[in-house]
Amino acid sequence: AQKITQTQPGMFVQEKEAVTLDCTYDTSDPSYGLFWYKQPSSGEMIFLIYQGSYDQQNATEGRYSLNFQKARKSANLVISASQLGDSAMYFCAMRLYGNNRLAFGKGNQVVVIP
Amino acid sequence: DTGVSQNPRHKITKRGQNVTFRCDPISEHNRLYWYRQTLGQGPEFLTYFQNEAQLEKSRLLSDRFSAERPKGSFSTLEIQRTEQGDSAMYLCASSLQQTVPNEKLFFGSGTQLSVL
Repeated sequence: AQKITQTQPGMFVQEKEAVTLDCTYDTSDPSYGLFWYKQPSSGEMIFLIYQGSYDQQNATEGRYSLNFQKARKSANLVISASQLGDSAMYFCAMRLYGNNRLAFGKGNQVVVIP
Repeated sequence: DTGVSQNPRHKITKRGQNVTFRCDPISEHNRLYWYRQTLGQGPEFLTYFQNEAQLEKSRLLSDRFSAERPKGSFSTLEIQRTEQGDSAMYLCASSLQQTVPNEKLFFGSGTQLSVL
């Protein structure tokens, strides 16, 4: 079984500043993928970034980067140059190879202030 | 391509009634998922279809729940004899099969169910 932990309280971030969202995970399986999704108030989950357990480099997608520390089982999301539209819930998720299920954490609330 | 569409957006029902939700995935996406999200939690997997075949069901999907995907296109999720504990956001997602585990899911905006 896999477990995702997101424990940060809600965060206020100044526009144009960077923010780091913490995610730790627990699995005994060596083969897995890690995801971050954004959920604005409209409800849909929006894919942001993916990191495979065997990837040698940290993933980056535009203003999003993933700080992957495999030994510590952490996959923190960094959002650079925050924008007002970044205000949302952010969910970390994991999927084991050969498994059809995404396991999500409880999410982090981010509010970007001008 | 209008994305994943879910209807209705909101549903209020009385305990004991049956409800049905519909999901229209992105056309040509052959994989379809249902997730349930309760307040303050992340989504939880319910079931998965590849084309018209339902290949996996979570134990969360009690016998009061049934999902179908006729002809591998849209999908319906029916809840019979609703209970207050069924109140949640029901999310549908679709994808075009690619190498797992980096499959990117496209989610709809969900159906918010309130059971009174």
